[in-house]
Amino acid sequence: SQQGEEDPQALSIQEGENATMNCSYKTSINNLQWYRQNSGRGLVHLILIRSNEREKHSGRLRVTLDTSKKSSSLLITASRAADTASYFCATDDYGGSQGNLIFGKGTKLSVKP
Amino acid sequence: KAGVTQTPRYLIKTRGQQVTLSCSPISGHRSVSWYQQTPGQGLQFLFEYFSETQRNKGNFPGRFSGRQFSNSRSEMNVSTLELGDSALYLCASSSRQGSTGELFFGEGSRLTVL
Repeated sequence: SQQGEEDPQALSIQEGENATMNCSYKTSINNLQWYRQNSGRGLVHLILIRSNEREKHSGRLRVTLDTSKKSSSLLITASRAADTASYFCATDDYGGSQGNLIFGKGTKLSVKP
Repeated sequence: KAGVTQTPRYLIKTRGQQVTLSCSPISGHRSVSWYQQTPGQGLQFLFEYFSETQRNKGNFPGRFSGRQFSNSRSEMNVSTLELGDSALYLCASSSRQGSTGELFFGEGSRLTVL
């Protein structure tokens, strides 16, 4: 099944720096979402961007969506140690047979104090 | 408002046994989806239930089954366990069918098969 692919797989930065994660997907979508997962825990929804939106902000998070390139990016500004987690993009499968979210493999972010 | 509750949080089984996992969605949510998460395959969709009916199913063998009760609580069952079934099983609830909007996840049930 089609899947979002995050890039990089792992990212290590210092506190206060910005973190950028990218996601590419394969088919047309209605929306794209980003989730965070602390080690071994459940996923937490961060932000949803619709296919007709290009950019969305939520606190220190900025998400962009380029449907022509089938890609999205998540920017976390002024990162904190508490941002250490795995980040996943998730897409629906608009027009496809699957009525569920499809998750990428994730980017593991480590923020060093 | 209470979040999504999954039980048990941890369990250990041996090959050939069966296991039942439980999920209580957020009050008012009628959609419950199940995902399997492993280091190798990532998050894979198992199935979705809405109003006690299975609406969508992922590419898993028939050993994986589920059901939803009238109060929206859901259970999933895995029979004849294999080593490869060791995973974190995540349940997510949503107010809408199709689970393509925002999902609210539980903390998961970590299954180890020996």
